[in-house]
Amino acid sequence: EAGVVQSPRYKIIEKKQPVAFWCNPISGHNTLYWYRQNLGQGPELLIRYENEEAVDDSQLPKDRFSAERLKGVDSTLKIQPAELGDSAVYLCASSRTGGVSANYGYTFGSGTRLTVV
Amino acid sequence: AQTVTQSQPEMSVQEAETVTLSCTYDTSESDYYLFWYKQPPSRQMILVIRQEAYKQQNATENRFSVNFQKAAKSFSLKISDSQLGDAAMYFCAYRSYYSGGGADGLTFGKGTHLIIQP
Repeated sequence: EAGVVQSPRYKIIEKKQPVAFWCNPISGHNTLYWYRQNLGQGPELLIRYENEEAVDDSQLPKDRFSAERLKGVDSTLKIQPAELGDSAVYLCASSRTGGVSANYGYTFGSGTRLTVV
Repeated sequence: AQTVTQSQPEMSVQEAETVTLSCTYDTSESDYYLFWYKQPPSRQMILVIRQEAYKQQNATENRFSVNFQKAAKSFSLKISDSQLGDAAMYFCAYRSYYSGGGADGLTFGKGTHLIIQP
């Protein structure tokens, strides 16, 4: 099966510009996560979706970050306007919801490396 | 809130030797899951091994095994017969027990950079 697909792989933008990241999870995975990984750090959860519903967005900086998951499949994470401190790798992951498989580790994509200059 | 600590920013081992990566965590929960993930330069996080807190037996996956000490809140990863392909960042991660709702996000440590010397 195809893995979690993310695009673009790299993005360089000027500060104050908008940027968007796209994620296509594994087919059948109802739960989708966006993580941010700063340089030299572990990933930190930004938002979790169960189908179309954002069930945990407590760590999402809502003044400039937004996310959507229309139809409960693909998801888009947006930053507007971007700041220098937003430079990081943005990782998407997905997992099944319910049953034993929900206790397995998640499947991650290869991430988008964002550089804000 | 749970925290995960990896105290070794970098470890180096000779090829074919054994290396142990350390991880400690803090939680008030009794049921949870612990993971080790590998992140090569490609950036994709790859699951190495998983441990359920209610299981006393340490998990093993081929050359990878863990030493899970629940009372000490310690979860170390042992890599035997190290290979060049094992070189990567290794992250320890925690997740609360799945209670029937959605699967919670993972809490990660800062990672350990593993270098394999040929």
